[in-house]
Amino acid sequence: ILNVEQSPQSLHVQEGDSTNFTCSFPSSNFYALHWYRWETAKSPEALFVMTLNGDEKKKGRISATLNTKEGYSYLYIKGSQPEDSATYLCAPNAGGTSYGKLTFGQGTILTVHP
Amino acid sequence: ETGVTQTPRHLVMGMTNKKSLKCEQHLGHNAMYWYKQSAKKPLELMFVYSLEERVENNSVPSRFSPECPNSSHLFLHLHTLQPEDSALYLCASSQNPSTDTQYFGPGTRLTVL
Repeated sequence: ILNVEQSPQSLHVQEGDSTNFTCSFPSSNFYALHWYRWETAKSPEALFVMTLNGDEKKKGRISATLNTKEGYSYLYIKGSQPEDSATYLCAPNAGGTSYGKLTFGQGTILTVHP
Repeated sequence: ETGVTQTPRHLVMGMTNKKSLKCEQHLGHNAMYWYKQSAKKPLELMFVYSLEERVENNSVPSRFSPECPNSSHLFLHLHTLQPEDSALYLCASSQNPSTDTQYFGPGTRLTVL
C-alpha cells in the first residue's frame, strides 16, 4: 500500500492569487502520477498524467511538476478564479502488476473567494 | 450519452436487501474500475477489470460482488451490507489498466440503514 500525502489539507485564497499544493509519494517502484480535480457533485476530472522525472505539464492556468527521485509533485494554479474551487487529488501508480491501481491522497480542498 | 454514467445516483437500502449498482462507459475503453469513498477517507480502489477479466480485487469483502458482462458495462452487486458500507461508489474506465487516464462517473451515494 502506497503512502500518499497531500498538503495542505485545505486552502482559502482570494481571486487572482496564485497557489500551489504538494503531493508526496514513495519514490521506489514509481510508474506514473495522476492529478485530478473534483468539484462538488461532479465527477473527478483528470488534469495530468506524469511519468518522467522533471516532467512539467500545463493546462491553461494550471501546471504541475514531478520529481520521481525524491517522490513529490507540485500543482500550481496561476491567478485563481472562483471556478477553480474544488478538491485536487493526486494518485501515484506503482505500475508493474498493479494494473492501473491508483492510490489516492486525501486531497487538497481549494476555496477561491471572489 | 457520453462519458461514464452510473445508476442509480442515490440508493438507500436495508442490511438484508440485495441491490446492484450499474456503470456504463461510452468511451470504447478496455478497463473499468470500482472505487469507494467513505467519509473523510481517500478514494479507495475496490476492483479492476481489464477486457472483462477481473485483474485486481483490493481485499474487498464478499458482500460486494462485481460483474463485467462486456467492456462497456460494470455492475456491483450488493448483499447483506453493513451501515459502515455507506459511502460514495465511483466507477471509472480507461483505455488500458496502466498509466492511462481514468475517466470517472458521477458516483452512487449509498446509504445502508
